[in-house]
Amino acid sequence: EAQVTQNPRYLITVTGKKLTVTCSQNMNHEYMSWYRQDPGLGLRQIYYSMNVEVTDKGDVPEGYKVSRKEKRNFPLILESPSPNQTSLYFCASSFYSLDRGLGYGYTFGSGTRLTVV
Amino acid sequence: AQSVSQHNHHVILSEAASLELGCNYSYGGTVNLFWYVQYPGQHLQLLLKYFSGDPLVKGIKGFEAEFIKSKFSFNLRKPSVQWSDTAEYFCAVNAENQGGKLIFGQGTELSVKP
Repeated sequence: EAQVTQNPRYLITVTGKKLTVTCSQNMNHEYMSWYRQDPGLGLRQIYYSMNVEVTDKGDVPEGYKVSRKEKRNFPLILESPSPNQTSLYFCASSFYSLDRGLGYGYTFGSGTRLTVV
Repeated sequence: AQSVSQHNHHVILSEAASLELGCNYSYGGTVNLFWYVQYPGQHLQLLLKYFSGDPLVKGIKGFEAEFIKSKFSFNLRKPSVQWSDTAEYFCAVNAENQGGKLIFGQGTELSVKP
């Protein structure tokens, strides 16, 4: 089944304790991205990757890191989490081409609800 | 910077009522347009998309949307809603100068009363 798999689904952690949220897709998509969802703000892009070893900042990258060593995986790293990073996080992937852009749209993972206390 | 506006934050309807959710974007060039639905506790699922061609696009579950380029709008419609349509709906835009980035609106929460 074509899907984006995120883990964990729920995570409660303490301020400053490094954590990683994993994301994996099995559709051979070039483009992968992380979003956070907060009430009243919709989804905001944290980081994205156009392909292996190509990553760039989105709109709200502060406090986050990513890596893209393999095409299928795109982990999100919080080196020193703070309470303002409490949010619902989604990983997404898509085919992407210069002529069609994101004509096919994103496939989203199931989300990770993170609470930082 | 490009932005997407959804004018209705919360819409409450009775079953069988007609639905129209507004979406406007601020970009004058070529765009790909999407509507996503998020059922309670679930991830976002694609309802429909517009890439080119017929500006009236049909999606899953009886939803449709109309792209009006002159109004920078992509409104979502359904003739008769069901209780199971209760969810949050997000409009999203991919502009030609934004690579693979999807810009989302704030979302509209739809509550359908049985």
